[in-house]
Amino acid sequence: DIQMTQSPSTLSASLGDRVTITCRASQGLSGWLAWYQHKPGRAPKLLIYKTSHLETGVPSRFSGSGSETDFTLTISSLQPEDFATYYCQYYNDFSYGFGPGAKLEIK
Amino acid sequence: QVQLQESGPGLVKPSQTLSLSCTVSGGSISTGGYYWSWVRQHPEKGLEFIGYVHYTGNPHYNPSLTSRVSISLDKSANQFSLSLTSVTAADTAMYFCARVRLVRGAVDTWGQGTMVTVSS
Repeated sequence: DIQMTQSPSTLSASLGDRVTITCRASQGLSGWLAWYQHKPGRAPKLLIYKTSHLETGVPSRFSGSGSETDFTLTISSLQPEDFATYYCQYYNDFSYGFGPGAKLEIK
Repeated sequence: QVQLQESGPGLVKPSQTLSLSCTVSGGSISTGGYYWSWVRQHPEKGLEFIGYVHYTGNPHYNPSLTSRVSISLDKSANQFSLSLTSVTAADTAMYFCARVRLVRGAVDTWGQGTMVTVSS
């Protein structure tokens, strides 16, 4: 089983801030790492797939990077609609799983 | 544009079987390149992959649930279903049906979710 951690678990930031969320896997993922934004009462929204590929329609202020086990999601300039919980998600050997989430709050 | 819609009872008694369906519209469930999946979120908790099935068969389940879960396809109805047996309060959650796009290794389409409470 692959274990995922995310840090920080909660983050307070202001409009216009640049924020970074980290996701770490217990074993190499060969780039198969995605990021989602999730707001209460709504379905999650895919932001980034395969480490760094921006999903169609997602604003370019979102970006992803990483290597085998360490990945980051960066929001370059926070907008009001960005306050949400962010999850990383892996694919490995026919299995999928999520990280525990990182809640982004307004400072 | 493909859309997914969950349906099923919102209340299930302990020890009984939770059964949900997901209707796929705007596309065929028999299209290659996708896994048809179920994901849940316990109240105030994170997301959990339950499992998935490809249109050719061969479902795959979360090891923590594999003894109780079954995911199947109904190609004639363009639906896929979730069955979870012997439920307890720990199975109370929001259940989402979802489409995994294989080349992206990620869920590109979600249902709106349906809340299922396990209680007598």
